[in-house]
Amino acid sequence: QKEVEQDPGPLSVPEGAIVSLNCTYSNSAFQYFMWYRQYSRKGPELLMYTYSSGNKEDGRFTAQVDKSSKYISLFIRDSQPSDSATYLCAMSEKDNDMRFGAGTRLTVKP
Amino acid sequence: DAGITQSPRHKVTETGTPVTLRCHQTENHRYMYWYRQDPGHGLRLIHYSYGVKDTDKGEVSDGYSVSRSKTEDFLLTLESATSSQTSVYFCAISFTRETQYFGPGTRLLVL
Repeated sequence: QKEVEQDPGPLSVPEGAIVSLNCTYSNSAFQYFMWYRQYSRKGPELLMYTYSSGNKEDGRFTAQVDKSSKYISLFIRDSQPSDSATYLCAMSEKDNDMRFGAGTRLTVKP
Repeated sequence: DAGITQSPRHKVTETGTPVTLRCHQTENHRYMYWYRQDPGHGLRLIHYSYGVKDTDKGEVSDGYSVSRSKTEDFLLTLESATSSQTSVYFCAISFTRETQYFGPGTRLLVL
């Protein structure tokens, strides 16, 4: 079993839809949870960063962490064609390196 | 790309030749990383550095070596390139180990 599991998709939604992206993990010591967005032929860019459990909101993006279920989510409200990208979840323990999911490819159709 | 540049951005080489990729940062971050990204495998850590001349192996280090003689530069060397090393290579930097910022990537094709 991989340490971090992420459905690779692809996921296709109409413009304006709410998108839900998810990852599960097995290491209960993970404390830091990140979401990266990667456009085609670009490097991953940090989108959201959450420490421990709870929710974090930034504009149209909301990150949720449920440590009891070892499950994290990224919600995108009012999705736009410019949101079309691959979304990578990542997580780490304190003073340790990140572990990445395989990425979910999202397409938002006009 | 958080003050990170990679060179070259694209390279085509032949099997058996040595290749060196360069990562340069202007952020003065302590940690630097080299990853490769392949379809179906996601991002995999090759080597990382936690200071000048201090490096360690990642999960896919075989066939790769690294050097860091200055804070701002981290070099990845393929001593004798093989077709299995055809990939996209990303450098990343971090102030603390928990969160990293990535460069634009280098596309390497080994024929």
